[in-house]
Amino acid sequence: GDSVTQMEGPVTLSEEAFLTINCTYTATGYPSLFWYVQYPGEGLQLLLKATKADDKGSNKGFEATYRKETTSFHLEKGSVQVSDSAVYFCALSDQAGTALIFGKGTTLSVSS
Amino acid sequence: DSGVTQTPKHLITATGQRVTLRCSPRSGDLSVYWYQQSLDQGLQFLIQYYNGEERAKGNILERFSAQQFPDLHSELNLSSLELGDSALYFCASSVVAGTPFFGQGTRLTVV
Repeated sequence: GDSVTQMEGPVTLSEEAFLTINCTYTATGYPSLFWYVQYPGEGLQLLLKATKADDKGSNKGFEATYRKETTSFHLEKGSVQVSDSAVYFCALSDQAGTALIFGKGTTLSVSS
Repeated sequence: DSGVTQTPKHLITATGQRVTLRCSPRSGDLSVYWYQQSLDQGLQFLIQYYNGEERAKGNILERFSAQQFPDLHSELNLSSLELGDSALYFCASSVVAGTPFFGQGTRLTVV
């Protein structure tokens, strides 16, 4: 079945460092891909998404490009802040309107 | 604020009991999804409703059930609760084929 694999955490960075969180997927067809973020004690918030190959999703300085050839959707940010400390989830939806399949999440901790 | 409202925010109950979690979707959204988040299982899809009808089932136990009402709000019923049911339960909603938006979750503790 469809699945999402994320790099294991936790990821610990200093403020202003470059961030990459790897995400790869297995799916039949052409899924939509998402990154959600969960801040401590809060629910899941949509960070960005891409719906077709070579699309780039971006929001709040975060970016991810849908790479069909490598079945990847890696999350990047050029300069992280302490406020970016959270758990990041990669997810896919294999068909329009179907439930999301999530990776296990990657915890990011940014120190000043 | 995603526009999805879940109540209650916290719930503590004893083993063997039954609880009901409530979700009000964003205005205009017809699809409602329920997820369970636990430390060992991560985020697991439980069930999806679309305009009052069950559309998809995931890893939902037989002790759990859900429904979506004519006003589109949804309830997740958990019965014969066990310690292992302690988790964060999320509701999400979307328009047809749209991006799901999540509520703040209900934290259930079974003691």
